[in-house]
Amino acid sequence: NAGVTQTPKFRVLKTGQSMTLLCAQDMNHEYMYWYRQDPGMGLRLIHYSVGEGTTAKGEVPDGYNVSRLKKQNFLLGLESAAPSQTSVYFCASSWGTGNTEAFFGQGTRLTVV
Amino acid sequence: EDQVTQSPEALRLQEGESSSLNCSYTVSGLRGLFWYRQDPGKGPEFLFTLYSAGEEKEKERLKATLTKKESFLHITAPKPEDSATYLCAVQVNTGNQFYFGTGTSLTVIP
Repeated sequence: NAGVTQTPKFRVLKTGQSMTLLCAQDMNHEYMYWYRQDPGMGLRLIHYSVGEGTTAKGEVPDGYNVSRLKKQNFLLGLESAAPSQTSVYFCASSWGTGNTEAFFGQGTRLTVV
Repeated sequence: EDQVTQSPEALRLQEGESSSLNCSYTVSGLRGLFWYRQDPGKGPEFLFTLYSAGEEKEKERLKATLTKKESFLHITAPKPEDSATYLCAVQVNTGNQFYFGTGTSLTVIP
């Protein structure tokens, strides 16, 4: 039972490069989230999705795009990476509305130089 | 504005020395309050959900409580393996997002 799997686990980008982070969940969850975690800032929501084909902006969406073409996958894209996007990125999923906890992946450590 | 504040930022305890972590919140309408544990280099791991004031939940040496303005995570007779960062999050009635605090880093010394 894999839960939430993030790919890749580590990545180094040069400023201006693009990349896509993949999140896959095998729990049939409706909701999926992308967070970034920075020292002293806690987890901040980038984008989220309440179902296949839907996406919505979170607290810090600028510079990122997302897609949810399949229920089990949630992709986070950086079109032109900036050093300010150096962070640890976490994907999470949950059943949906109501009082349900989120399950997290192991994280992707991204460094933009 | 919805806000979650955790204190202290860091806490060092001797093994067996009980203490409490605090999570205070100001939100428009609370749907649920969540406690997570995060070990270095890993994603947060779910511990508890609390829904209404007065509710309590326990798991091994941990006990979470909730009032209308804050939640406490009580750690009784901690062991070194309880060392981790403990995160608090709230979910509000008007949305589907989770808002996280910045966490409390707990170190338990043998």
